[in-house]
Amino acid sequence: GAVVSQHPSWVICKSGTSVKIECRSLDFQATTMFWYRQFPKQSLMLMATSNEGSKATYEQGVEKDKFLINHASLTLSTLTVTSAHPEDSSFYICSASGPGTGQFFGPGTRLTVL
Amino acid sequence: DAKTTQPTSMDCAEGRAANLPCNHSTISGNEYVYWYRQIHSQGPQYIIHGLKNNETNEMASLIITEDRKSSTLILPHATLRDTAVYYCIVRVAPGGTSYGKLTFGQGTILTVHP
Repeated sequence: GAVVSQHPSWVICKSGTSVKIECRSLDFQATTMFWYRQFPKQSLMLMATSNEGSKATYEQGVEKDKFLINHASLTLSTLTVTSAHPEDSSFYICSASGPGTGQFFGPGTRLTVL
Repeated sequence: DAKTTQPTSMDCAEGRAANLPCNHSTISGNEYVYWYRQIHSQGPQYIIHGLKNNETNEMASLIITEDRKSSTLILPHATLRDTAVYYCIVRVAPGGTSYGKLTFGQGTILTVHP
C-alpha cells in the first residue's frame, strides 16, 4: 500500500508559539490531503480538506486562521497550529489520496502545548 | 454519508475468527462500505471495502447483506496484534461531491486475548 509520513511524530511547545506539522506522500501523488484531530478516547474528527494548489476547505467550527494548511505540491501538505494553547493538545493525523487511489493515513503527530 | 452503528466493544480469543458487525440502514445505492482500524496511538489502517458483493483480501473478509443495510467484517484467525478500534464507514462513490471525506464514528474496540 501507499505510504504517508508525518513529521514530527511528537512535539512539545510552549503556549503562544506556532507549530508546523508536515505530511508527505512518499510513493504517490496526493491530489487531496485531509487533516484530522483526535482527542483522547475519542474518534477522529476531520478538520479540513486540501487539494493541491487550492485553498483548504475547513469543517464547521474549525478556525482557518488558527490552523493554517498549505498544500503546495503533490507530495507535501503542512498544518501550522498558530498561537497554540493547551486545549490544542491533541493527536493530529493526515491522510492522502490520489487519482484512482484509496485514502492512506499517516502515523500521526502528538502535540502537547504546555 | 450514511450513519453507521457498531457495538462499543468485543472480545475474541486468539486464533478464533472475529466477527465485527455494522449497521448502515440508511445507506444509499452509490455508497460503499469501508473498514479501517486504528491501533493505539497510530494512524488508521485501511482493511477492506465493498459495494454489494462480498469481498476478501489478505487481511479480512467483508460480508454485506443483500439489502445492504448491514455488514460484517471477519478476521479469520485473530492475533493479539489485531487488538484495535475498528471503524465501519459508509462513503460516497468516486465522483460524488463529498467523495474522499471519511466520517469516523466511535468504532468497535476489539480485544484479542490469549
